[in-house]
Amino acid sequence: DIQMTQSPSSLSASVGDRVTITCRTSQSISLYLNWFQQKPGKAPKLLIYAASALRSGVPSRFSGSGSGTDFTLTISSLQPEDFATYYCQQSYGVPRTFGQGTKLDIK
Amino acid sequence: EVQLVESGGGLVQPGGSLRLSCAASGFSFSSYWMHWVRQAPGKGLMWVSHINSDGSNTNYAGAVKGRFTISRDNVKNTLYLQMSSLGADDTAVYYCSRDLGAIPFDNWGQGTLVTVSS
Repeated sequence: DIQMTQSPSSLSASVGDRVTITCRTSQSISLYLNWFQQKPGKAPKLLIYAASALRSGVPSRFSGSGSGTDFTLTISSLQPEDFATYYCQQSYGVPRTFGQGTKLDIK
Repeated sequence: EVQLVESGGGLVQPGGSLRLSCAASGFSFSSYWMHWVRQAPGKGLMWVSHINSDGSNTNYAGAVKGRFTISRDNVKNTLYLQMSSLGADDTAVYYCSRDLGAIPFDNWGQGTLVTVSS
């Protein structure tokens, strides 16, 4: 199985801050990396697919980068609605493993 | 509008069985791979299983292999997850999600809660 190591596990930040979350995989997955946002009691929402492709309708303050084994999700200027938990996931192999999540809360 | 609506969750005793359904509408269901993903209370996301568009290929997470069976009915536009030999570790919200390959997991259902307890 491909292991996902997401960091940090939690993060406190303020509105307007720039935030970066990283995801490292145990083997190369090319660009097969997705990022999701989840709010309490809600289903996850796809933000970024193929490492850097912004899903239609997702604000441009979200961006993804990386390839191989190292990936990042960046939020350029945090908005109040961005406080949530973020997950990376690989869609290269089976099982389709998720990172353990990063909980982003208000400082 | 794309809709995925899960149903079939509930309280089941350890060792019991349950079948979840995911009714799809608003898109060409038979063109998409489909997934089940679960989330135990207060925990992260765990991929459970997927099935290809015509139902001929399936895969499972190790924790459920041999106990869960994914299937689909492309006439009824419905995805299923048959779960057996359930244990407390299977307690979770179960989500279905679609996957066209190029843009995976772009829509999710609202989830259905499965509670395994005596």
